[in-house]
Amino acid sequence: EAGVTQFPSHSVIEKGQTVTLRCDPISGHDNLYWYRRVMGKEIKFLLHFVKESKQDESGMPNNRFLAERTGGTYSTLKVQPAELEDSGVYFCASSQDLDGLLTGYTFGSGTRLTVV
Amino acid sequence: GDSVTQMEGPVTLSEEAFLTINCTYTATGYPSLFWYVQYPGEGLQLLLKATKADDKGSNKGFEATYRKETTSFHLEKGSVQVSDSAVYFCALMGNDYKLSFGAGTTVTVRA
Repeated sequence: EAGVTQFPSHSVIEKGQTVTLRCDPISGHDNLYWYRRVMGKEIKFLLHFVKESKQDESGMPNNRFLAERTGGTYSTLKVQPAELEDSGVYFCASSQDLDGLLTGYTFGSGTRLTVV
Repeated sequence: GDSVTQMEGPVTLSEEAFLTINCTYTATGYPSLFWYVQYPGEGLQLLLKATKADDKGSNKGFEATYRKETTSFHLEKGSVQVSDSAVYFCALMGNDYKLSFGAGTTVTVRA
């Protein structure tokens, strides 16, 4: 089966611009997660979708970040306007069961975002 | 809140050397523990996991034992290969179904 696909793999944008990251989860996985790793630090949770609904968005840093999952398939994460501190690697993951313990989370390769 | 602390890298060692990466955690309740690995140019992959105290996770020659008394989940491999060069992340999942990760340890194995 195809894995979790993220694109672009790399994005370099100027401060103040808008960037949209996309994640295609494994087909049939209801749970979709966004995480990010900033400046080589810990990977931190951003939010969790169950189908098209936001189950938990407690990790979203501020209102410049907007995540959507229309139709419960792919998800987008928009940063508008981007700031320098948004640079990092954004990971998407999906799982079939809620806690990922049975099937395990499957992560994408990540999108490396650089804001200059 | 939940947190994970793992030894800082980078770690550089020779082929066939013994590898240990220390990981300790703070969590309420009974979390599940994981080691993830990121090979160059690839995504995060689950390496091994343990869901309760004294469980041992193992995969690809790596092992880690869930030690509740010391709140630790140290990763070990007896004889590393060049192909083990990667970034290793310790993580836990608590009752909120969110993964909390350590900062990652970069391991480089030289031939």
